[in-house]
Amino acid sequence: EIVLTQSPGTLSLSPGERATLSCRASPSVSRNFLAWYQQKPGQAPRLLIYGASNRATGISDRFSGSGSGTDFTLTINRLEPADFGVYYCHQYGSSPVTFGGGTKVEIK
Amino acid sequence: QVQLVQSGAELRKPGTSVKVSCKASGYTFTNYGISWVRQAPGQGLEWMGWISGYNDNTNYAQKVQDRVTMTTDTSTSTAYMELGSLRPDDTAVYYCARDTRGGDSSWLDPWGQGTLVTVSS
Repeated sequence: EIVLTQSPGTLSLSPGERATLSCRASPSVSRNFLAWYQQKPGQAPRLLIYGASNRATGISDRFSGSGSGTDFTLTINRLEPADFGVYYCHQYGSSPVTFGGGTKVEIK
Repeated sequence: QVQLVQSGAELRKPGTSVKVSCKASGYTFTNYGISWVRQAPGQGLEWMGWISGYNDNTNYAQKVQDRVTMTTDTSTSTAYMELGSLRPDDTAVYYCARDTRGGDSSWLDPWGQGTLVTVSS
């Protein structure tokens, strides 16, 4: 089973700043089959990025994904109030699929 | 638009079972599969398993494989997840999400609104 470790656990930032979220995999993710989701309190997760770097339909270009193998990054430029929440990475290249523990982005 | 609508909240006693439904609309049900993911209160996401809307093939997480059954009804474009021998630590919000119909797994999009299952005596 691939273990995904997300860091930091919590990121305290102000609107307008840049957020950099990390997702490390052990062992490596096959074919960069890695996705990122945003979840707000009381809501279902929402797909942001798939295939490590492809934005989902309707997702702002302020969100970008990068990385390969064992190290992946989600970058959110010019944070807006609606961006605050918990972000999860998800690898779907190997069975069983697994999720990271999440990074909470909160208002500083 | 593509949408998954789940059944309502459930309260069950330990040792019983629960069956959650997930009705799909806005796409051809048999072209995709459904994954089930749960989230315990204040915790992260845990994948439970997948079923193909095409041929009913399944793949269950080892942790629940002895207690879970996933099925579909293509006539109503509905997927079901039944979990038996419930324990208090099964208390969680259960989500369905659209997945691949077979072969490689896929990203999950969209997700249902979630169904809270509470297990308590």
